[in-house]
Amino acid sequence: EAGVAQSPRYKIIEKRQSVAFWCNPISGHATLYWYQQILGQGPKLLIQFQNNGVVDDSQLPKDRFSAERLKGVDSTLKIQPAKLEDSAVYLCASSLDLLAAGNTGELFFGEGSRLTVL
Amino acid sequence: QKEVEQNSGPLSVPEGAIASLNCTYSDRVSQSFFWYRQYSGKSPELIMSIYSNGDKEDGRFTAQLNKASQYVSLLIRDSQPSDSATYLCAVNSLNRDDKIIFGKGTRLHILP
Repeated sequence: EAGVAQSPRYKIIEKRQSVAFWCNPISGHATLYWYQQILGQGPKLLIQFQNNGVVDDSQLPKDRFSAERLKGVDSTLKIQPAKLEDSAVYLCASSLDLLAAGNTGELFFGEGSRLTVL
Repeated sequence: QKEVEQNSGPLSVPEGAIASLNCTYSDRVSQSFFWYRQYSGKSPELIMSIYSNGDKEDGRFTAQLNKASQYVSLLIRDSQPSDSATYLCAVNSLNRDDKIIFGKGTRLHILP
């Protein structure tokens, strides 16, 4: 079974530039998450989708970050304009529908996209 | 504010000894608890989940949950150098409107 796919793996940009990250979840997983992980810290949830609807985006800096999940499958996270403090690994994860029978709550993570803002 | 707290470490344990990792959480309605292992430069991977009070054993790993004390722990027996990693505690309430909160992680170093 294919895992969560993310691209690009690495990105270096200047501050005030824009960047976009792409995620393809595990087939059949209704819930998709974007986490930001700054070096030495735990993952911080940015946005959570259930199919193509947003469940939680309370910690997404909406003045510069945006995310969409068209058709309830792939998702894109965009940052514009980037700041130095956005340097982090952006992790995409997916899981079964939170209320589905047999759902254990386990998240399956992609390899992450490492962003460096200079 | 829902919080999951862990000691950041590093926790150094001799090879073959028991490593004990602890986590406390603030949301009393939390129902599901997870331990993820994250190697340097890699993504988190699930190693244990626990949903009810008591102990749950899987190989060299034992998760312990005490909901009254809002405390969850992970024991690693016969620690191996390959266990050296950051261990992330995660909590959620299996509610569609809730979210999975991660602690900052504890760095574990197994001394050969």
